[in-house]
Amino acid sequence: QQKVQQSPESLIVPEGGMASLNCTSSDRNVDYFWWYRQHSGKSPKMLMSIFSNGEKEEGRFTVHLNKASLHTSLHIRDSQPSDSALYLCAAAYNNAGAKLTFGGGTRLTVRP
Amino acid sequence: GALVYQYPRRTICKSGTSMRMECQAVGFQATSVAWYRQSPQKTFELIALSTVNSAIKYEQNFTQEKFPISHPNLSFSSMTVLNAYLEDRGLYLCGARDSTEVFFGKGTRLTVV
Repeated sequence: QQKVQQSPESLIVPEGGMASLNCTSSDRNVDYFWWYRQHSGKSPKMLMSIFSNGEKEEGRFTVHLNKASLHTSLHIRDSQPSDSALYLCAAAYNNAGAKLTFGGGTRLTVRP
Repeated sequence: GALVYQYPRRTICKSGTSMRMECQAVGFQATSVAWYRQSPQKTFELIALSTVNSAIKYEQNFTQEKFPISHPNLSFSSMTVLNAYLEDRGLYLCGARDSTEVFFGKGTRLTVV
């Protein structure tokens, strides 16, 4: 089983809708979570990172973290077709330096 | 701001030959550098983690003999793909960490023909 699990594997939402993506670590030594977006054929770009319990909002993007359950979620409100991409969750673990463990990703499609 | 430059962005090599890629950290000290590979239709796999003044740690299925890495200082790392074959094609990413964040370069896309 992968150390970082993402769900769902794929998601289709209508334009203007809310997209919710989930990510859980099976290792309690998780230090930080990052969310990345990767458009087809491009390198991943960091969307948001979260280190503390609670919520962080940047524009249309909101990230939640529950450290007790080792779960983070990314919510995209007012989804746009340009948001269609592969969303990767990555976790860093204590004393692991630059090593990030990536989940399998959620492929989001926003239908106009 | 902190940036990570990777060079080259794209490269094509003949099957059985080798190619070297570079990773340059700008604006911060990269005490730790991780190299990843994203094969077609797959997520990112960690190849190795390099920390200055420590031994480089390779993940299972990746070896120093195949992917030798150099990390001589806090701003530069390089990795070579030796004897590249079709299964080595993909996007190779360098991630460099300062005290709190990992910054990624744009990657080197390797095509093997």
